[in-house]
Amino acid sequence: AQSVAQPEDQVNVAEGNPLTVKCTYSVSGNPYLFWYVQYPNRGLQFLLKYITGDNLVKGSYGFEAEFNKSQTSFHLKKPSALVSDSALYFCAVRDIWTGGGNKLTFGTGTQLKVEL
Amino acid sequence: NAGVTQTPKFQVLKTGQSMTLQCAQDMNHNSMYWYRQDPGMGLRLIYYSASEGTTDKGEVPNGYNVSRLNKREFSLRLESAAPSQTSVYFCASSERPSGGTDTQYFGPGTRLTVL
Repeated sequence: AQSVAQPEDQVNVAEGNPLTVKCTYSVSGNPYLFWYVQYPNRGLQFLLKYITGDNLVKGSYGFEAEFNKSQTSFHLKKPSALVSDSALYFCAVRDIWTGGGNKLTFGTGTQLKVEL
Repeated sequence: NAGVTQTPKFQVLKTGQSMTLQCAQDMNHNSMYWYRQDPGMGLRLIYYSASEGTTDKGEVPNGYNVSRLNKREFSLRLESAAPSQTSVYFCASSERPSGGTDTQYFGPGTRLTVL
């Protein structure tokens, strides 16, 4: 089965500084990777995904992620953090379920806190 | 275009009670999913429906049943609620049958507490 790991439960960063939220993956075959964000008491919102092509993927709200095959990583980045970026971030990988359908396998989430 | 909607937003049940969580999407998507979110565990798939008329078990199906009523609606039923089912439940949908590499779009969630 495919899996992703988010090694940090929480990341703190000052507003205006660059931020990185880490994700590593373990897959057999080609990795299809996603980042989602969850604001308090809200559902998950899609940020970006890597299917194939350029290793640097650009997404919503100024976020980007770098796919690194040799390091099996898919870290989420933003050049300049905003207080409004404070939220829970999930990395996910597409997996094939036993019934033949597709599902997402999620990491445990990283809480990002951006402070003034 | 409301996307994915879920009702109710909050629910408190006593052990042994039953209830149905409703989900609907207006994006004409083929695949629909039910996940539960528990602290420190991310989201886990309960059931999914690869297309209208089909459903299949996910990682944690015990204690749940689902119905894909039509292309728009996918409900989750707890027949006899247990405290271990206290969680936040999310419905999601994606465009193609069986999902492929499609983005999944999530509803706002239902917070369920079982006493």
